[in-house]
Amino acid sequence: AQTVTQSQPEMSVQEAETVTLSCTYDTSENNYYLFWYKQPPSRQMILVIRQEAYKQQNATENRFSVNFQKAAKSFSLKISDSQLGDTAMYFCAFLAQKLVFGQGTRLTINP
Amino acid sequence: NAGVTQTPKFQVLKTGQSMTLQCAQDMNHEYMSWYRQDPGMGLRLIHYSVGAGITDQGEVPNGYNVSRSTTEDFPLRLLSAAPSQTSVYFCASSQHRTGPYNEQFFGPGTRLTVL
Repeated sequence: AQTVTQSQPEMSVQEAETVTLSCTYDTSENNYYLFWYKQPPSRQMILVIRQEAYKQQNATENRFSVNFQKAAKSFSLKISDSQLGDTAMYFCAFLAQKLVFGQGTRLTINP
Repeated sequence: NAGVTQTPKFQVLKTGQSMTLQCAQDMNHEYMSWYRQDPGMGLRLIHYSVGAGITDQGEVPNGYNVSRSTTEDFPLRLLSAAPSQTSVYFCASSQHRTGPYNEQFFGPGTRLTVL
């Protein structure tokens, strides 16, 4: 069975700083997808970024980028120039046959 | 497009009551699923469907039933509510379960409290 682990329950940084959220996963699959979802206080789940396992190039979406290390089964999210609106829960998720979520990291951006 | 809609947004039940959480999507997606979100545990898959007439169990299916009579609708039924089912429930859909078109679109969630 696949498992996803987010080892940082909470993080807090100052506005404009860069922050990295960690995620590791365990699988025997070779073809899969990885995601980071953001859940603001509104509770809505919002897709932040996606990575296909067969792609070596790390995905980037504006201020959000990932460091995908397939051999190490690691998938961290870097948020550059953090903004107050980035305050949210962030979930790492793994998809092969079904979507499996990590426990989440509560990120607070302080003014 | 309305995307994925869920009703109700909030619900309070007494132990033993039954109810149905509604979920609908207007994107003609094949794959639909239900998750529950509990503090410190992320989202866990309850049931899913890969198309009309086809459903299967996820990680935590006990106490819940689903059906998929149309592509658009995927209701979740609680047969006899228990306090352990107090949670936030999310419905999600994607064009396919896996492959390139697998981005899941989530509904706004239903906060359910069982007393």
